Order: sequence, then C-alpha cells, then structure tokens
Amino acid sequence: DAKTTQPNSMESNEEEPVHLPCNHSTISGTDYIHWYRQLPSQGPEYVIHGLTSNVNNRMASLAIAEDRKSSTLILHRATLRDAAVYYCILRDLPSNTGNQFYFGTGTSLTVIP
Amino acid sequence: GAVVSQHPSWVICKSGTSVKIECRSLDFQATTMFWYRQFPKQSLMLMATSNEGSKATYEQGVEKDKFLINHASLTLSTLTVTSAHPEDSSFYICSARWPGANVLTFGAGSRLTVL
Repeated sequence: DAKTTQPNSMESNEEEPVHLPCNHSTISGTDYIHWYRQLPSQGPEYVIHGLTSNVNNRMASLAIAEDRKSSTLILHRATLRDAAVYYCILRDLPSNTGNQFYFGTGTSLTVIP
Repeated sequence: GAVVSQHPSWVICKSGTSVKIECRSLDFQATTMFWYRQFPKQSLMLMATSNEGSKATYEQGVEKDKFLINHASLTLSTLTVTSAHPEDSSFYICSARWPGANVLTFGAGSRLTVL
C-alpha cells in the first residue's frame, strides 16, 4: 500500500483556517485520497475524499497537488469541536470485498480558544 | 444514513472469559465489515475483514482462534475475544462501506477492559 506522511501534531487558533498536510509520493494512478478524523474516545468519521480535482463539502476542502504527491485538508474556521486526530489514507478503487483502509499515525490537531 | 452501531460500548470482564462485540449496519446492508483495534495514544490497526456468508480474512499477526469473527447476516458482524487476557484490553472499532461509495462509516467503538 502506498504510504502517507503527516505531521504528528498541529495547533490552530479557534476561528482561524487550518491547513493539514499529507505527503504521498508513491501514490498510484487509481488511489483516492481520503481524510477521516477521530474525536477522543470515538470511532473515526469520514471527512472528505478525492482523486485529482480539489473537493469541497460542508466539513472541509481538499486541495490536491497537480502531481498528486501531496494533499492538504483545509478547515476553513477551526472550532473547538474540530480538535481530533486527522488521518490521510490512500485507497484504491472500490470493490465488493477487500480494499481495506489502513490507518497511519495521523495528525493530532489542537484548537486553542 | 449509513449508520453503524456497536454494542456494548464498554465491557469489563475477568481474565479467561470470552467477550462478544456486535456491529450492526442500521439502515443499509453490508457484505463486508472491518474490525480494528486501537491501543491508547496509537492509531487504528486493522484486525480482519468480515465477509457475509464466508470466513473472515485476518491480517498478518492476528490470531484467528483468539478473535472469532462471524458475519451471519448482511447487517450483523460479531467479534468474540476468546479467553481474554489483560493484554487484550483495547478499543475495538468496526466499520462498513457505504453502499455504492468508496467511503467507510465507523461504529462508536467498544472499550474492553480485562481484569
């Protein structure tokens, strides 16, 4: 599986934008870039995913580099509820079975009031 | 939509006993579910892939006789930790793929403490 590299931790002030980077230099042409986050003592939750183009949803934006070797998750206005561990995961095309998600170490985001 | 429910959310048991954790897809059918475990301050580790109507596929290093997985229906997968020991104490999380999407939805997790 192609690996991802993320900073162990980041801090952000409340109500300011946050840019969470992810490097994936060995990404393959069919790997989708997924972001999940895990709040303390909870299961992970889906944030966003994309293949080549930048993506926006109600939670965040995903900016994908032109060469696809890196991506950035953007939280436009961080709130205290955004404090979580953010995981960047590469996943190949879907199938009925398999295509497991393997989690890396993620980035622990601290939001400062 | 696409909600996964886990039960129990926490359980305490004595060493040597077996514990069953249930994972249900509430509003969709899941032919495949995934089981993870997570130790404090660590990332999620995939344990096994649960396939409806067939045997589970275990990741390397995970004892299949220790962690029994049954996926008897399209909405229920169970993980049984057999002869639990204190080192099995962990946070167990299940997940399933959204129907028609390349995205996973996760349960809230089950915290197991073995005394």
